Amino acid sequence: DTGVSQNPRHKITKRGQNVTFRCDPISEHNRLYWYRQTLGQGPEFLTYFQNEAQLEKSRLLSDRFSAERPKGSFSTLEIQRTEQGDSAMYLCATMWGSYEQYFGPGTRLTVT
Amino acid sequence: GQNIDQPTEMTATEGAIVQINCTYQTSGFNGLFWYQQHAGEAPTFLSYNVLDGLEEKGRFSSFLSRSKGYSYLLLKELQMKDSASYLCAWLSGNTPLVFGKGTRLSVIA
Repeated sequence: DTGVSQNPRHKITKRGQNVTFRCDPISEHNRLYWYRQTLGQGPEFLTYFQNEAQLEKSRLLSDRFSAERPKGSFSTLEIQRTEQGDSAMYLCATMWGSYEQYFGPGTRLTVT
Repeated sequence: GQNIDQPTEMTATEGAIVQINCTYQTSGFNGLFWYQQHAGEAPTFLSYNVLDGLEEKGRFSSFLSRSKGYSYLLLKELQMKDSASYLCAWLSGNTPLVFGKGTRLSVIA
């Protein structure tokens, strides 16, 4: 247990529905990253926050994806109008100062 | 461009030594990470190399050559629980980690 929690751990949804995931970081960690990982691939960067500011977004993050980090604490990742290609593990990682990113357990999304 | 390559799969025997290689190409580079990931779980940090040379941590060691764009992870005295995917990733400045696809290691008796 790294101290980073994610909810829900699993989500099954029908195509076209909206889903929202939550990440609760280690309290003093000011940087928060979202990654997506599909089977047989490494994690791919989606977006990054420093405190409440969203500093970078990947080209993978289409306009159906939005992320927030109000008050610089927990973060949410929302996917609107889900597609089957969105099925993946969504990982949150946090860090403070140093280089090591601590990953949460992930949310596995299945779009049917 | 930015690229990172590692073998897809490897098999090794319990008690043996295995070396997992990683090559990368990037215009900016701060350091090279290795993560372990068991099936269905999140990646866990193993090592971070900034300078050339070998960093040893128990049964695991990691090597970096910045001039060659090359790193390896060395696992000694393999145990069955070491069966997992091993991800290398590079870091440049404050950008997020860029991961390879991972090497799936199977340890057999």
